[in-house]
Amino acid sequence: QKEVEQDPGPLSVPEGAIVSLNCTYSNSAFQYFMWYRQYSRKGPELLMYTYSSGNKEDGRFTAQVDKSSKYISLFIRDSQPSDSATYLCAMSPRPGGSYIPTFGRGTSLIVHP
Amino acid sequence: ETGVTQTPRHLVMGMTNKKSLKCEQHLGHNAMYWYKQSAKKPLELMFVYSLEERVENNSVPSRFSPECPNSSHLFLHLHTLQPEDSALYLCASSQERWSGELFFGEGSRLTVL
Repeated sequence: QKEVEQDPGPLSVPEGAIVSLNCTYSNSAFQYFMWYRQYSRKGPELLMYTYSSGNKEDGRFTAQVDKSSKYISLFIRDSQPSDSATYLCAMSPRPGGSYIPTFGRGTSLIVHP
Repeated sequence: ETGVTQTPRHLVMGMTNKKSLKCEQHLGHNAMYWYKQSAKKPLELMFVYSLEERVENNSVPSRFSPECPNSSHLFLHLHTLQPEDSALYLCASSQERWSGELFFGEGSRLTVL
């Protein structure tokens, strides 16, 4: 079993839809969870991060962590064509020190007008 | 120039060529990284430098040779590559080693014929 599982998609949705992007993981030591967004022909950029469990909201984006199920989600409300990108989850026991983040494969999202 | 810049953006080379990828960060960070990104695969960490000292070498073949002359510059020297080495090579930096947010460059797309 891979340490981090992420469906590569593509996920195609109409503009305005609520998008749910997910990752599952097997390492119960993970407590620091990140979402990176990567536009075509660009490098990834950090979108959001959460520490331990719970939800975190930033504008149209909500990151959710369910440690009991080892499952994290990124929700995008009122999706826009400009949200079309690949979304990578990443996680580690904590930031800093010798903890190398483990990345998922990324999910390709297409939001069509 | 701001952020992390990588050159060249595209590179085509034969299996017997020698070439180099260059990365420069303008963020005053102390750690720099090389990642390999292949289609539908998670980001693969190749090398980590912290304060110009290589602190991670993730079992990368010797045909890849990194060099970090100072905390702002990172090179990846390429020699006798294989077609399976074709990928997007991403440089990243962070304030300290694994301090949370990685700042990525736009990548160098390498094709090995």
